Amino acid sequence: KAGVTQTPRYLIKTRGQQVTLSCSPISGHRSVSWYQQTPGQGLQFLFEYFSETQRNKGNFPGRFSGRQFSNSRSEMNVSTLELGDSALYLCASSFLLAGGTDTQYFGPGTRLTVL
Amino acid sequence: AQKITQTQPGMFVQEKEAVTLDCTYDTSDPSYGLFWYKQPSSGEMIFLIYQGSYDQQNATEGRYSLNFQKARKSANLVISASQLGDSAMYFCAMKQGTGNQFYFGTGTSLTVIP
Repeated sequence: KAGVTQTPRYLIKTRGQQVTLSCSPISGHRSVSWYQQTPGQGLQFLFEYFSETQRNKGNFPGRFSGRQFSNSRSEMNVSTLELGDSALYLCASSFLLAGGTDTQYFGPGTRLTVL
Repeated sequence: AQKITQTQPGMFVQEKEAVTLDCTYDTSDPSYGLFWYKQPSSGEMIFLIYQGSYDQQNATEGRYSLNFQKARKSANLVISASQLGDSAMYFCAMKQGTGNQFYFGTGTSLTVIP
C-alpha cells in the first residue's frame, strides 16, 4: 500500500500571500489530521477531518482552514501568511488498530518558508 | 498543563546497547492510547509502538518495547540493541477521548555512537 503523500514538499512564500497544501491518505483511511511543527512550539494539532467533516480543531486562528474531499484527500489553506507560519506541516491518516484505537500514519510533510 | 512530558532533550547510547526514553502523561480520561514515533532528519514521523490504557501487558514491537506504568502515568520506550539508524528524534504522544487529536511531547534526540 502507498503511504501518505503530501504535496508540495517544499514551498517558499512571502508575507500576505496564501498557500494550499495537499494530502492524500493511505487508501481506505477516512480520517486525515494536520499538524504544525516548529522548533519553538513543537508539534501542534491543527484539525482533523473524517468523512468530509471537520471533527476536531486545534487552537489556531481562522487563517488556517481545511477541507476533505469525497476520496478522503485533504487540503489545508493558510491565508495572509505571517513569518511565524514557517513550519513543517504534517498530514496523518488514521488506521484502526486492533483494540479499537486509531493510530496515525504520517506523510513526509510540507516545509513552508515565509519570507 | 502539559499532557505529555519528555524530560530528556538529548540522549547518547553506544551501538548494540539498550536505551530508555522517558515519557510521562497527564489525563483524567480512563480510556487513552499512548504512542511513540521516530522522526529522522528527513522529517517523516514513523509509528513505532502503541499501548492502550486497558492493556494488561506492555507492548512490544521488534526491538521496541513500552514500559507502561499506569499508576505513575509513565510510558517509557525501550530500544534494545541500538543501531546507527536509530539516531533520530523520538516523540511520545497520547490520544484520549473521541476523534484523532494527538498530544505530542517535545521529543528526545537520540544519537547512537559507533
